[in-house]
Amino acid sequence: QVQLQESGPGLVKPSETLSLTCTVSGGPISAYYWTWIRQPPGRGLEWIGYTSASGATDYNPSLNGRVTISIDTSKNQFSLKLTSVTTADTAVYYCATGSGTGYFTGWGQGNLVTVSS
Amino acid sequence: QSVLTQPPSVSGAPGQRVTISCTGFSSNIGAGYAVHWYQQPPGTAPKLLIYDNSNRPSGVPDRFSGSKSGTSASLAITGLQADDEADYYCQCYDSSLSRYLFGSGTTVTVL
Repeated sequence: QVQLQESGPGLVKPSETLSLTCTVSGGPISAYYWTWIRQPPGRGLEWIGYTSASGATDYNPSLNGRVTISIDTSKNQFSLKLTSVTTADTAVYYCATGSGTGYFTGWGQGNLVTVSS
Repeated sequence: QSVLTQPPSVSGAPGQRVTISCTGFSSNIGAGYAVHWYQQPPGTAPKLLIYDNSNRPSGVPDRFSGSKSGTSASLAITGLQADDEADYYCQCYDSSLSRYLFGSGTTVTVL
């Protein structure tokens, strides 16, 4: 069973870049697709984007080009960068995995990121 | 505002059956894309409950079932139990928006 763990700062200032890392254990990072999903407090889920093991990516167009997802197979990690954050980006950020067929089979426990000055 | 609409809440007594609807459009559910369902108990991460419209991952009880017809999908829970209290989300791909969508979410309360 693949396990995922998010890490990164819990507080980011407006206009700065949010950076999170997800560490994968219990399975090969080369075998799946790796996704970021977020959930604002008290609200629903929003898909941010994914990377494949080979580095192919796809992002949510509503984030207007502010997202970069990258993968480091040597460290069994993948990362999220979200630039020019505002308070609307305050959310619990989850990393997740799937086979690429459109659903997410494993999730991290989530990392609350607050955007505030 | 979500493109996949779910009722905000449903409730039932222990042992009863409840259903949660997920209504979409011709660019997502109606286009033939599969619908998936997740369960999120309070304070925890979501967990895959149903994939590809009606399939259960290993370990999910057969009290949970999914179906799809036209531009809508449904999740049914039979034999409702106290630990079924959670938020439930449907999920599908949308070709018009070019992204994966989640439904607005439904809170299930066991009376």
